Amino acid sequence: KQEVTQIPAALSVPEGENLVLNCSFTDSAIYNLQWFRQDPGKGLTSLLLIQSSQREQTSGRLNASLDKSSGRSTLYIAASQPGDSATYLCAVKPFYSGNTPLVFGKGTRLSVIA
Amino acid sequence: DTAVSQTPKYLVTQMGNDKSIKCEQNLGHDTMYWYKQDSKKFLKIMFSYNNKELIINETVPNRFSPKSPDKAHLNLHINSLELGDSAVYFCASSQESANRELFFGEGSRLTVL
Repeated sequence: KQEVTQIPAALSVPEGENLVLNCSFTDSAIYNLQWFRQDPGKGLTSLLLIQSSQREQTSGRLNASLDKSSGRSTLYIAASQPGDSATYLCAVKPFYSGNTPLVFGKGTRLSVIA
Repeated sequence: DTAVSQTPKYLVTQMGNDKSIKCEQNLGHDTMYWYKQDSKKFLKIMFSYNNKELIINETVPNRFSPKSPDKAHLNLHINSLELGDSAVYFCASSQESANRELFFGEGSRLTVL
């Protein structure tokens, strides 16, 4: 059974710092991995999707990497801003026969302090 | 233009009542989902429908019954509500055949008193 872990559970950094959020998963048989952002009281916003054949994806100040064999992904945020404060969730799509839903980690709550 | 919309956003009700949450997506996706986010913020899959057919039904009490009148809609009906049903329920959709990303609604916060 696929399990996703995110460390740390919470992180507080001063504005302008570069930071890395970590995600690990127990079964390397995945279709893809997706990073989401969730603001308080809101739904999830998709940030980056990495297919199993890819090593990384970039969008603006965000860069996500995937090392499928070791079951790890990182989300790198450059030059953090207070507006980046949110909970960041990692989710993997297991590679089983038939339709498989995403399996989520519990998230990392990020606070960027001005 | 809201891609995945769900109503109501907030729902407060008494134990034992029956309630429904509606979801619609205008992305042309073939698959829709219901997720439950508990008080510890953990997201867990409840149901998945592909082209109006149920394909995933996790260990959810049969008081929860999803209904998909067409592939753009997936509604969640809950009978005999219990205190433990209090949570935020998220609808989501994706183009499963293309292995594309998942898009979420804003969530429906259910409080059972």
